[in-house]
Amino acid sequence: ELKVEQNPLFLSMQEGKNYTIYCNYSTTSDRLYWYRQDPGKSLESLFVLLSNGAVKQEGRLMASLDTKARLSTLHITAAVHDLSATYFCAVDRDDKIIFGKGTRLHILP
Amino acid sequence: NAGVTQTPKFQVLKTGQSMTLQCAQDMNHNSMYWYRQDPGMGLRLIYYSASEGTTDKGEVPNGYNVSRLNKREFSLRLESAAPSQTSVYFCASRSGTGEGNTIYFGEGSWLTVV
Repeated sequence: ELKVEQNPLFLSMQEGKNYTIYCNYSTTSDRLYWYRQDPGKSLESLFVLLSNGAVKQEGRLMASLDTKARLSTLHITAAVHDLSATYFCAVDRDDKIIFGKGTRLHILP
Repeated sequence: NAGVTQTPKFQVLKTGQSMTLQCAQDMNHNSMYWYRQDPGMGLRLIYYSASEGTTDKGEVPNGYNVSRLNKREFSLRLESAAPSQTSVYFCASRSGTGEGNTIYFGEGSWLTVV
């Protein structure tokens, strides 16, 4: 059974600091997704990662995938208040897409 | 391009009532999904349809039924609503495999069962 675990579930950090969100999954997968959600809103796509060693970057966010360790990371560089949101990873296997519980990120000025 | 459209956006039901959440996508996507979102639980998969004519159970299918009416539409039905089904429901679609094929979400449907 495919299970997805994110940690931490809540993160409060200072502006300007770096931090990493971790996403572990239990079985082999076809692809891994990262999404952002603002309160009361729908989900916005950030990254899709397919292959082992894949790395993608957009602004202050960088995602990577290690399929052998069944681990993806979302790294935040020099955080700014606008990045405050909930971040989800999701894993796809045979069209079944399972989400983690999300990491609620609060960036303090 | 409307993307993924869900209706209704808000609904209040009494326990035992039935209702259908409608979802349509105009991107010619093969796969469609229904999720529910509850505080602290993330998104949980209710049912999905990998292609027109097929449906499969997700993580939390009990109390729900689905219909993949055609390639565009995927509806979610609550036959006898219970307070535990109070949640935000999201429909999503995806075209298929490949790195460029992200998942697109609707705006959500806020359902309260009293």
